Amino acid sequence: GAGVSQTPSNKVTEKGKYVELRCDPISGHTALYWYRQSLGQGPEFLIYFQGTGAADDSGLPNDRFFAVRPEGSVSTLKIQRTERGDSAVYLCASSLNRGPGANVLTFGAGSRLTVL
Amino acid sequence: ILNVEQSPQSLHVQEGDSTNFTCSFPSSNFYALHWYRWETAKSPEALFVMTLNGDEKKKGRISATLNTKEGYSYLYIKGSQPEDSATYLCANSYNTDKLIFGTGTRLQVFP
Repeated sequence: GAGVSQTPSNKVTEKGKYVELRCDPISGHTALYWYRQSLGQGPEFLIYFQGTGAADDSGLPNDRFFAVRPEGSVSTLKIQRTERGDSAVYLCASSLNRGPGANVLTFGAGSRLTVL
Repeated sequence: ILNVEQSPQSLHVQEGDSTNFTCSFPSSNFYALHWYRWETAKSPEALFVMTLNGDEKKKGRISATLNTKEGYSYLYIKGSQPEDSATYLCANSYNTDKLIFGTGTRLQVFP
């Protein structure tokens, strides 16, 4: 597609529920990133995919969070047993991965998750 | 701890004013410094990526400089316009693909 697409744009859920957030990256971008921005903070790294595999998942806060990218394109971030502290804007980004560290990331508009 | 700090936290200027803000980072193991602009209800947009000490980049009225030895980057906006209102984020990569972001500088330009 023309840009990085994220759905849903807004999600309100109740504490304890399961949530899935979807990211459709730019066609041909092999690298895909998930970030989370909580109120008053900068975006916080969650996980990075190179192709289908998670190259770095060190930012996932606990085992309630999981992400997949089964065909190396669309990715889904899954959050089990949601807590109020999970409320944030979840950003997805993709890049051509031309080299470590200097990749320009193209971001989606984010999915705003509110846990009541 | 790979802390990236930005100042000021927020800034209000009049249309036509020039302004600048700072990004500070640990200089050891530096690889690349990124600036992004994030307008409300839109996607963060890449402005610059800089890797070399002394790098200067320019895009229209916006420019940035980099000092890797002392660990800072400045972003300058000349003749601010209301459409420049946004949060400006800087991030470091430290030779990984994991960008460490600062908390951003929120700029409001009043007509």
